[in-house]
Amino acid sequence: DAGVTQSPTHLIKTRGQQVTLRCSPKSGHDTVSWYQQALGQGPQFIFQYYEEEERQRGNFPDRFSGHQFPNYSSELNVNALLLGDSALYLCASSFSGSVGETQYFGPGTRLLVL
Amino acid sequence: QKEVEQDPGPLSVPEGAIVSLNCTYSNSAFQYFMWYRQYSRKGPELLMYTYSSGNKEDGRFTAQVDKSSKYISLFIRDSQPSDSATYLCAMSAGGNKLVFGAGTILRVKS
Repeated sequence: DAGVTQSPTHLIKTRGQQVTLRCSPKSGHDTVSWYQQALGQGPQFIFQYYEEEERQRGNFPDRFSGHQFPNYSSELNVNALLLGDSALYLCASSFSGSVGETQYFGPGTRLLVL
Repeated sequence: QKEVEQDPGPLSVPEGAIVSLNCTYSNSAFQYFMWYRQYSRKGPELLMYTYSSGNKEDGRFTAQVDKSSKYISLFIRDSQPSDSATYLCAMSAGGNKLVFGAGTILRVKS
């Protein structure tokens, strides 16, 4: 049973560019959450997708957008990249029918903005 | 003030020691409490999950939640060098976003 997978593993972009990160949830999961983890910090919640809709959003600007597909996979898009967007981007999946909806994380995509 | 505060460490202990990791929080709505372990440059791995107050044990790991004090702990018995990692506490009010502490770096020396 494959866990949460993310692609690509690493990415280098320049300021002002746009980036798309991808996530496939764990088998049986229908909810995907995205987090940003800066070096030496805990993950910060960006948003969560359920039934192809954004269910909740953290304190991130509109440059961060997402999408969920009918097969529950998800994309995170970041426009107009800033140096401060350099971080590990984590995807987590969960099942909406479980108590507490425990989230399981993927390995992350490490983004470097130059 | 952050919603979740975690002792930053780093913590360095000899192999076989008992390790205590702690977090405090301010949001009374939190009901679900988790500990994740994160190795360098990897994603967080779920270690322990508890609902409301009480203790939960899994092998060498024990998680404690005291909602009256807004305090959670993770104890690791007979610590091993392979336990060296960053430990993240996380909490939620249910279903949606997790709020994390900043993480405690643990080093177990052989």
